[in-house]
Amino acid sequence: AQKITQTQPGMFVQEKEAVTLDCTYDTSDPSYGLFWYKQPSSGEMIFLIYQGSYDQQNATEGRYSLNFQKARKSANLVISASQLGDSAMYFCAMRENSGYSTLTFGKGTMLLVSP
Amino acid sequence: NAGVTQTPKFQVLKTGQSMTLQCAQDMNHEYMSWYRQDPGMGLRLIHYSVGAGITDQGEVPNGYNVSRSTTEDFPLRLLSAAPSQTSVYFCASSPSEDPYNEQFFGPGTRLTVL
Repeated sequence: AQKITQTQPGMFVQEKEAVTLDCTYDTSDPSYGLFWYKQPSSGEMIFLIYQGSYDQQNATEGRYSLNFQKARKSANLVISASQLGDSAMYFCAMRENSGYSTLTFGKGTMLLVSP
Repeated sequence: NAGVTQTPKFQVLKTGQSMTLQCAQDMNHEYMSWYRQDPGMGLRLIHYSVGAGITDQGEVPNGYNVSRSTTEDFPLRLLSAAPSQTSVYFCASSPSEDPYNEQFFGPGTRLTVL
C-alpha cells in the first residue's frame, strides 16, 4: 500500500486564485512529520511547510498553509493568491519515527498557474 | 554556510563504468541520505546514514555503495553503471532521525548511463 497518495497528477489555477493540492497518508506510527516540497523546472527541492503529528493547529508559512485532518489522514497544501512563479511540481512527504526514518514521497502534483 | 552540496551536476557514463557522486554538508547534521528521482516515481531512498561510520540500505540499494567516514561527507558509489541507473540523484541531510526534522536537499546530480 502506498504510504503517500497524491491523486492529482496535474492542476491548473489562474493567477491570484487559491488552490488546494491533495495528500493522504498511511501510517500506524503515532509520531510522524508531514512535509511539502516544491520542485521547479530547475530541479531543486525546496521545503515549503511542515506539520507534526501532535500539532494541534494547522501549519502556515506565508501564502502556504497545511490543512491537516488527522482522523482522515490527509495533509492538503493550500496556496493562496497563486503567482506565476508557483508553477512547479509539488511533493507531499512523510517522515515516520520507525523504519528508515527517512522521507517517503508521493508521486507529485504538477501545478500550472496561468495569467 | 553552503548547506548541502553535490558534485557533479551532470554526468554521462558508459555501461559498466564506475563513479562516485559526492555529497557534503556543513551544518553538522547526523542524518544523511541519498535518493533517486525517476519520472512518475517521486523520490526513492537508496542508502542512509545516522552518523559517521553507520550506514544502511534504503528502498533501492542494489548497484550502489556508500560510506560515511566523516560527519560532513556521504559519497555514493556506482559500482558498474547500468542504463537503469539513469536518474536524478539527490543527497539530503537533517539534524537527526527525529521525524519532526526537515531534510535539506542538495541541488541534485543528473546522471545518464549509455
